[in-house]
Amino acid sequence: EAGVAQSPRYKIIEKRQSVAFWCNPISGHATLYWYQQILGQGPKLLIQFQNNGVVDDSQLPKDRFSAERLKGVDSTLKIQPAKLEDSAVYLCASSLDTPGANTEAFFGQGTRLTVV
Amino acid sequence: KNQVEQSPQSLIILEGKNCTLQCNYTVSPFSNLRWYKQDTGRGPVSLTIMTFSENTKSNGRYTATLDADTKQSSLHITASQLSDSASYICVVEWFNGGADGLTFGKGTHLIIQP
Repeated sequence: EAGVAQSPRYKIIEKRQSVAFWCNPISGHATLYWYQQILGQGPKLLIQFQNNGVVDDSQLPKDRFSAERLKGVDSTLKIQPAKLEDSAVYLCASSLDTPGANTEAFFGQGTRLTVV
Repeated sequence: KNQVEQSPQSLIILEGKNCTLQCNYTVSPFSNLRWYKQDTGRGPVSLTIMTFSENTKSNGRYTATLDADTKQSSLHITASQLSDSASYICVVEWFNGGADGLTFGKGTHLIIQP
Protein backbone atom coordinates (compact mmCIF):
# COMPACT_ATOMS: atom_id res chain seq x y z
CA GLU A 1 0.00 0.00 0.00
CA ALA A 2 1.42 3.37 -1.01
CA GLY A 3 1.91 5.82 1.82
CA VAL A 4 1.11 9.51 2.13
CA ALA A 5 3.09 11.43 -0.48
CA GLN A 6 4.26 14.98 0.06
CA SER A 7 6.22 17.39 -2.07
CA PRO A 8 8.56 19.09 -2.10
CA ARG A 9 10.76 17.52 0.59
CA TYR A 10 12.64 20.75 1.20
CA LYS A 11 11.98 24.40 0.44
CA ILE A 12 13.96 27.54 1.20
CA ILE A 13 12.31 30.91 0.62
CA GLU A 14 12.81 34.49 1.67
CA LYS A 15 10.41 36.12 4.09
CA ARG A 16 7.35 37.69 2.47
CA GLN A 17 7.50 35.19 -0.38
CA SER A 18 4.76 32.63 -1.03
CA VAL A 19 5.04 28.86 -0.91
CA ALA A 20 2.75 25.89 -1.51
CA PHE A 21 2.95 22.30 -0.33
CA TRP A 22 1.19 19.32 -1.86
CA CYS A 23 -0.14 16.15 -0.26
CA ASN A 24 -1.55 12.97 -1.77
CA PRO A 25 -3.17 10.87 0.97
CA ILE A 26 -3.54 7.10 1.04
CA SER A 27 -6.22 6.01 -1.39
CA GLY A 28 -9.63 5.79 0.23
CA HIS A 29 -8.74 7.80 3.31
CA ALA A 30 -11.49 10.27 4.11
CA THR A 31 -9.65 12.32 6.72
CA LEU A 32 -6.64 14.48 5.90
CA TYR A 33 -4.58 16.55 8.33
CA TRP A 34 -1.93 19.22 7.97
CA TYR A 35 0.43 19.64 10.92
CA GLN A 36 3.21 22.12 11.64
CA GLN A 37 6.16 20.69 13.57
CA ILE A 38 8.69 23.21 14.86
CA LEU A 39 12.08 21.79 15.74
CA GLY A 40 12.03 20.03 19.11
CA GLN A 41 8.26 20.07 19.43
CA GLY A 42 5.39 17.74 18.67
CA PRO A 43 3.18 18.32 15.65
CA LYS A 44 0.53 21.05 15.91
CA LEU A 45 -2.68 20.63 13.95
CA LEU A 46 -3.27 23.33 11.36
CA ILE A 47 -6.32 21.96 9.59
CA GLN A 48 -8.35 18.75 9.39
CA PHE A 49 -10.47 17.79 6.39
CA GLN A 50 -13.18 15.17 6.25
CA ASN A 51 -13.49 14.41 2.53
CA ASN A 52 -13.47 17.93 1.01
CA GLY A 53 -14.99 19.67 4.03
CA VAL A 54 -13.09 21.43 6.82
CA VAL A 55 -13.60 19.85 10.27
CA ASP A 56 -11.15 21.94 12.31
CA ASP A 57 -9.07 24.93 11.26
CA SER A 58 -9.07 26.71 14.61
CA GLN A 59 -5.25 26.86 14.77
CA LEU A 60 -4.69 27.86 11.16
CA PRO A 61 -3.32 31.44 10.89
CA LYS A 62 -5.90 32.40 8.31
CA ASP A 63 -4.33 35.77 7.54
CA ARG A 64 -1.45 33.99 5.81
CA PHE A 65 -2.22 30.27 5.62
CA SER A 66 -4.80 28.62 3.39
CA ALA A 67 -5.55 25.02 2.51
CA GLU A 68 -7.86 23.24 0.17
CA ARG A 69 -8.76 19.68 -0.64
CA LEU A 70 -10.34 19.60 -4.02
CA LYS A 71 -12.51 16.57 -4.82
CA GLY A 72 -11.73 15.16 -1.39
CA VAL A 73 -8.39 13.65 -2.42
CA ASP A 74 -5.19 15.71 -2.85
CA SER A 75 -4.60 18.77 -0.74
CA THR A 76 -2.45 21.90 -0.93
CA LEU A 77 -1.29 24.14 1.90
CA LYS A 78 -0.22 27.68 1.04
CA ILE A 79 1.59 30.34 3.02
CA GLN A 80 1.40 33.90 1.72
CA PRO A 81 3.41 35.84 2.80
CA ALA A 82 5.86 33.71 4.78
CA LYS A 83 7.45 34.84 8.04
CA LEU A 84 10.65 33.67 9.70
CA GLU A 85 8.65 31.85 12.39
CA ASP A 86 7.00 29.69 9.73
CA SER A 87 10.24 27.71 9.45
CA ALA A 88 9.17 24.18 10.36
CA VAL A 89 8.35 20.76 8.99
CA TYR A 90 4.86 20.57 7.51
CA LEU A 91 3.42 17.09 7.89
CA CYS A 92 0.45 15.73 6.04
CA ALA A 93 -1.42 12.74 7.47
CA SER A 94 -4.45 10.75 6.44
CA SER A 95 -6.73 8.23 8.09
CA LEU A 96 -9.55 6.02 6.95
CA ASP A 97 -11.95 7.87 9.22
CA THR A 98 -11.90 10.39 12.03
CA PRO A 99 -10.04 9.83 15.36
CA GLY A 100 -13.33 9.06 17.08
CA ALA A 101 -13.68 6.03 14.81
CA ASN A 102 -10.43 4.54 16.18
CA THR A 103 -8.47 4.69 12.96
CA GLU A 104 -4.73 5.26 12.71
CA ALA A 105 -3.32 8.41 11.13
CA PHE A 106 -0.52 7.72 8.65
CA PHE A 107 2.02 10.47 8.11
CA GLY A 108 4.00 11.58 5.10
CA GLN A 109 7.70 12.39 5.34
CA GLY A 110 6.96 16.08 5.58
CA THR A 111 8.18 19.22 3.84
CA ARG A 112 10.95 21.06 5.62
CA LEU A 113 10.47 24.80 5.11
CA THR A 114 13.21 27.30 5.88
CA VAL A 115 12.34 30.98 5.71
CA VAL A 116 15.36 33.28 5.54
CA LYS B 1 -7.50 22.65 27.85
CA ASN B 2 -6.35 19.33 26.36
CA GLN B 3 -2.68 18.76 27.08
CA VAL B 4 -0.16 15.93 26.79
CA GLU B 5 3.06 16.19 28.79
CA GLN B 6 6.00 13.88 28.16
CA SER B 7 9.13 13.20 30.16
CA PRO B 8 12.01 13.16 29.96
CA GLN B 9 12.51 15.66 27.16
CA SER B 10 15.60 13.75 26.04
CA LEU B 11 17.37 10.57 27.09
CA ILE B 12 20.70 8.93 26.26
CA ILE B 13 21.25 5.25 27.08
CA LEU B 14 23.71 2.55 26.06
CA GLU B 15 22.77 -0.08 23.51
CA GLY B 16 21.22 -3.13 25.16
CA LYS B 17 19.84 -1.21 28.14
CA ASN B 18 16.14 -0.73 28.94
CA CYS B 19 14.34 2.58 29.30
CA THR B 20 10.90 3.93 30.15
CA LEU B 21 9.27 7.04 28.71
CA GLN B 22 6.39 8.78 30.47
CA CYS B 23 3.23 10.49 29.24
CA ASN B 24 0.67 12.39 31.34
CA TYR B 25 -2.47 13.76 29.76
CA THR B 26 -5.44 15.92 30.59
CA VAL B 27 -7.35 15.21 27.39
CA SER B 28 -11.06 14.72 27.86
CA PRO B 29 -13.10 12.90 26.81
CA PHE B 30 -10.49 10.23 26.19
CA SER B 31 -10.82 7.84 23.26
CA ASN B 32 -7.45 6.17 22.61
CA LEU B 33 -3.77 6.71 23.31
CA ARG B 34 -1.07 6.00 20.76
CA TRP B 35 2.69 6.04 20.94
CA TYR B 36 4.39 7.13 17.73
CA LYS B 37 8.04 6.75 16.73
CA GLN B 38 9.49 9.52 14.61
CA ASP B 39 12.87 8.92 12.99
CA THR B 40 14.87 12.00 12.01
CA GLY B 41 13.51 13.46 8.79
CA ARG B 42 10.52 11.14 8.68
CA GLY B 43 6.88 11.34 9.65
CA PRO B 44 5.64 9.67 12.86
CA VAL B 45 4.73 5.97 12.70
CA SER B 46 2.33 4.36 15.16
CA LEU B 47 3.83 1.80 17.57
CA THR B 48 0.87 0.96 19.82
CA ILE B 49 -2.72 1.96 20.41
CA MET B 50 -4.52 1.59 23.72
CA THR B 51 -8.19 2.08 24.45
CA PHE B 52 -9.69 3.17 27.77
CA SER B 53 -10.04 -0.39 29.07
CA GLU B 54 -6.56 -1.64 28.17
CA ASN B 55 -3.73 -1.59 30.71
CA THR B 56 -0.84 -2.91 28.69
CA LYS B 57 0.03 -3.68 25.10
CA SER B 58 3.22 -4.98 23.54
CA ASN B 59 4.76 -4.63 20.11
CA GLY B 60 8.01 -6.57 20.02
CA ARG B 61 10.47 -4.87 22.37
CA TYR B 62 8.03 -2.03 23.01
CA THR B 63 5.51 -2.30 25.85
CA ALA B 64 3.00 0.44 26.56
CA THR B 65 0.98 0.78 29.75
CA LEU B 66 -2.05 2.92 30.48
CA ASP B 67 -3.61 3.99 33.76
CA ALA B 68 -6.82 5.76 32.79
CA ASP B 69 -7.55 6.70 36.42
CA THR B 70 -4.34 8.69 36.88
CA LYS B 71 -4.21 9.60 33.15
CA GLN B 72 -0.69 8.29 32.74
CA SER B 73 0.96 6.12 30.13
CA SER B 74 4.45 4.75 29.75
CA LEU B 75 6.44 3.21 26.92
CA HIS B 76 9.06 0.68 27.96
CA ILE B 77 11.79 -0.29 25.52
CA THR B 78 13.63 -3.52 26.25
CA ALA B 79 17.15 -4.36 25.10
CA SER B 80 17.53 -1.13 23.15
CA GLN B 81 19.08 -1.12 19.68
CA LEU B 82 20.79 1.67 17.75
CA SER B 83 17.74 1.83 15.48
CA ASP B 84 15.60 2.85 18.46
CA SER B 85 17.19 6.30 18.33
CA ALA B 86 14.26 8.55 17.49
CA SER B 87 11.63 10.82 19.00
CA TYR B 88 8.75 9.07 20.71
CA ILE B 89 5.50 10.99 20.70
CA CYS B 90 2.49 10.30 22.89
CA VAL B 91 -0.80 11.12 21.14
CA VAL B 92 -4.20 11.11 22.78
CA GLU B 93 -7.27 10.77 20.61
CA TRP B 94 -10.49 12.31 21.85
CA PHE B 95 -14.06 12.04 20.71
CA ASN B 96 -16.91 14.21 21.92
CA GLY B 97 -20.11 13.66 20.05
CA GLY B 98 -19.67 15.37 16.72
CA ALA B 99 -16.11 16.54 17.30
CA ASP B 100 -12.88 14.58 17.58
CA GLY B 101 -9.16 15.13 17.26
CA LEU B 102 -5.61 14.28 18.22
CA THR B 103 -3.53 15.98 20.92
CA PHE B 104 0.22 15.51 20.58
CA GLY B 105 2.91 15.62 23.23
CA LYS B 106 6.22 17.29 22.43
CA GLY B 107 7.99 13.96 22.37
CA THR B 108 10.99 12.37 24.08
CA HIS B 109 14.19 12.43 22.05
CA LEU B 110 15.94 9.09 22.64
CA ILE B 111 19.56 8.47 21.69
CA ILE B 112 21.05 4.98 21.86
CA GLN B 113 24.82 4.94 22.12
CA PRO B 114 26.94 1.93 21.10
